[in-house]
Parts: sequence; structure tokens; C-alpha cells
Amino acid sequence: KNQVEQSPQSLIILEGKNCTLQCNYTVSPFSNLRWYKQDTGRGPVSLTIMTFSENTKSNGRYTATLDADTKQSSLHITASQLSDSASYICVVSAPSGSARQLTFGSGTQLTVLP
Amino acid sequence: GAGVSQSPSNKVTEKGKDVELRCDPISGHTALYWYRQSLGQGLEFLIYFQGNSAPDKSGLPSDRFSAERTGGSVSTLTIQRTQQEDSAVYLCASSVDRVPHQPQHFGDGTRLSIL
Repeated sequence: KNQVEQSPQSLIILEGKNCTLQCNYTVSPFSNLRWYKQDTGRGPVSLTIMTFSENTKSNGRYTATLDADTKQSSLHITASQLSDSASYICVVSAPSGSARQLTFGSGTQLTVLP
Repeated sequence: GAGVSQSPSNKVTEKGKDVELRCDPISGHTALYWYRQSLGQGLEFLIYFQGNSAPDKSGLPSDRFSAERTGGSVSTLTIQRTQQEDSAVYLCASSVDRVPHQPQHFGDGTRLSIL
């Protein structure tokens, strides 16, 4: 069964600090991996999409890494801001093209304190 | 607006009533998805529409759930004879083309509460 496990479940950091969120997956075969940011009461917003051939991708202060061999990804947030407080969701896609082939993690709830 | 629009944003209803949730996707997006998000859980796939193809209904949890997409645009998710376990946030997303290569654009969801 395809699974996406995220850690930690929740994280509290101080404004200005860096943090790293983890995503381990068992989806195989694999097409791409996405990170989404979901603010409270809002829908998820795409941060990055990486295919198996990409090791890293950045979007401003967000940098995602992917190791397709170990089936691990991380999302690194640099110089955190209060607005980074949100749930971060890892999504892994199989190549079949079916919508059902998107497997969502349960998310990491990040809280940035002043 | 330019984003995916969902209505209502909140819905409170009594057990046993029927509800209709609406999704207006981004113009030109051929793919439309419905998901359910329960507290502390990952998104649960419900149904997928792609252009004029038959929808993928494989994620619908029971025959009380149905959805349609009229004219390749607006979609309605209907839940009949609602149960308390139907309480969740229902999210709609659209994309330019089918997964897995395109990013999904999500609406802000409908928070459904069954009393």
C-alpha cells in the first residue's frame, strides 16, 4: 500500500530560525513529489514539484530536497516568519495518471512564535 | 476571481438532510478533483473529472455521495442522508491537465458540520 509519512507531526520554532520537515514515502513507481502549504481555514497551495531526476528545488525561503533512492524528501525553511505558520503537506504521485495515484501525507503543523 | 471558488464556506445541517457543495474551477482547467479532509488526516480522494471522460468515482465512500460537472466547468458534490461521520472539510481542486504532472489549485473548502 502506498504511504506517505511526515515528521514531525508538529513543530514550534522562533521567528528567524530555520527548520526542516521530513517526508518518507513508499509509493512505487514514483512520478513526482510535491510540497504544499495549507494555512488554517484555507486550501493547500503548491510550493514545489520535483520529479525523480531532481534533487533540489527552491521557492524563495523554501528549499525541497529529494532522494529517490531512499524515498525521502525534506522541506527546509530558512529565516522563518510568522506567516510560515501553517500545515505543510507532502504529496507523492505515481505515474499512472489516475487522480487516485496521489498519496497525501497528514502534514506537519508548523508554528512560528515571535 | 482567478482562483478555485467553493461555496458555501461553512455548512451546518442536521443528520439525515441532503447537502450540496459547489466548486467553480479556474477557467480553462480541464481536471477537477474533490477531496475530504478530516482533522489530523491526509486528504482523502473522492472523485475526479477530466474533460469529457467518464469521472473516476472510485474514492466515493458510499452511494450517498455523488457529484456532477456541468459543461466541463462548475461541479456539485451532493451528500444524501448525511451522517455525523460526514463532518469534514470538503476541498475542490483543478488543474490544467490531468495528474501527475500538473500542480493542483485548491479552493478554500467547505466546512461541513452534521449535528
